[in-house]
Order: sequence, then C-alpha cells, then structure tokens
Amino acid sequence: QVHLVESGGGVVQPGKSLTLSCATSGFRLSNYGMHWVRQAPGKGLEWVALIGYDGYKKSYADSVRGRVTISRDEAKSTVYLQMNRLRVEDTAVYYCAREGGQWAWGQGARVTVSS
Amino acid sequence: DTVLTQSPLSLPVTPGEPASISCMSNESLLHSNEYNYLDWYLQKPGQSPQLLIYLASTRASGVPDRFSGSGSGTDFTLEISRVEAEDVGIYYCMQTLHTPPTFGQGTRLDIK
Repeated sequence: QVHLVESGGGVVQPGKSLTLSCATSGFRLSNYGMHWVRQAPGKGLEWVALIGYDGYKKSYADSVRGRVTISRDEAKSTVYLQMNRLRVEDTAVYYCAREGGQWAWGQGARVTVSS
Repeated sequence: DTVLTQSPLSLPVTPGEPASISCMSNESLLHSNEYNYLDWYLQKPGQSPQLLIYLASTRASGVPDRFSGSGSGTDFTLEISRVEAEDVGIYYCMQTLHTPPTFGQGTRLDIK
C-alpha cells in the first residue's frame, strides 16, 4: 500500500530555514515524479515544486523560486523540500504527492512562519 | 499556467438530492493517448485531499458509485447522484496534463 509521510514542520521565524521530508513506501520512488503542494490557512491548494522521476527535472512555483530546493534520496525513499528565507506568507500545510494515473498524497506537515 | 474555473463556489444540498460541480479549463486537458488529465478531490475539514475521480471519469478505489465524473477537452463535471451527510467538504478539480499542475478554486458543499 502506498504511503507518504511528511515531517519537519514547525514554527519558524521569518528569514529562517526549514527542511521538510516525505518518507515514501509501497512503491518504487525512482519510477515516479514527486511534488510538493501547499495550502495556506483557509485557502485553496497551491502547487509548489516538482522533481522528475530521475531527479533531473525540477520546477518551482514563482512564489518560491530561488528560495526553495526540492531533492530526493532513492536509498532512503525520501523526498525533501528545503525552504530558505521563509516569509510569513509561506505559512501553510505542505503536502507531498506522488504523480501518476492516481496521485497519492500524504497527510501534510504544518509550517508556521511567525516572529 | 492552466487556469481551472469551478462553479458554483458554494453548494448547499438537501440529503438525498443530486449535486453537480463544473470545472472549466482555459486549455485542453485531452492527451494524445485520448485520456483527459483531470482529477477530482474532496477535502474534508482537517484532512488531506482524497482522490475521488481520476482521468476525468474513473472512480478511485473505495469511492462510492454515487460519485461520477464526465467531460472532455476543457469542460468537466462531477456529479453526486444522492448527497449524503458525509459528502460535506470542499471539492477541487486538478489538471495534471500541463506543468505545473493546477487546481480549481474549490467548491464548498454543505448540507441544507
């Protein structure tokens, strides 16, 4: 059974850094592109970043480009989202998702950026 | 980016009655393989989005058959044949054909 479990969320001050992890199981990570999607409080879903199945293709939303890096570790079956120079507007629940005919989603990691 | 427009944004429904949500795209979601890359999700309060329909019309595993999806190209519909209390939440359409994937604004369904 496919599982994605996000971790690493928390409360952080503006300008600081945070790295989210997405531990995967139940499928071969190297066969799939992976995404991060976020949801600010009371708002809709916003795509953040993707990494291709082979780790080479990477793409970022304009709102995070230059501050965020997506990566993957096949040996650990884990996908990461390193976020730097965090802003108050980055406050959201961050979901990890596996693309495919049927996308699979984790339960989310809450990130709060506040002084 | 591909823009998805949902309507209505709010949908009060009496239990047992049908409901319908529209999702319109500003560009075609039809792939050369003849599949439409449009999914429907339901997000219940405090939960992650749960997949209801993928590739426009295929029900995900475990989804009741009162949910159905239809449409092609730029015009898609999610229908619930008989709404139940457990169907309350926010419904999103999502396209995965074009990069980046994008979402509709969401439709809030609640019970009258």
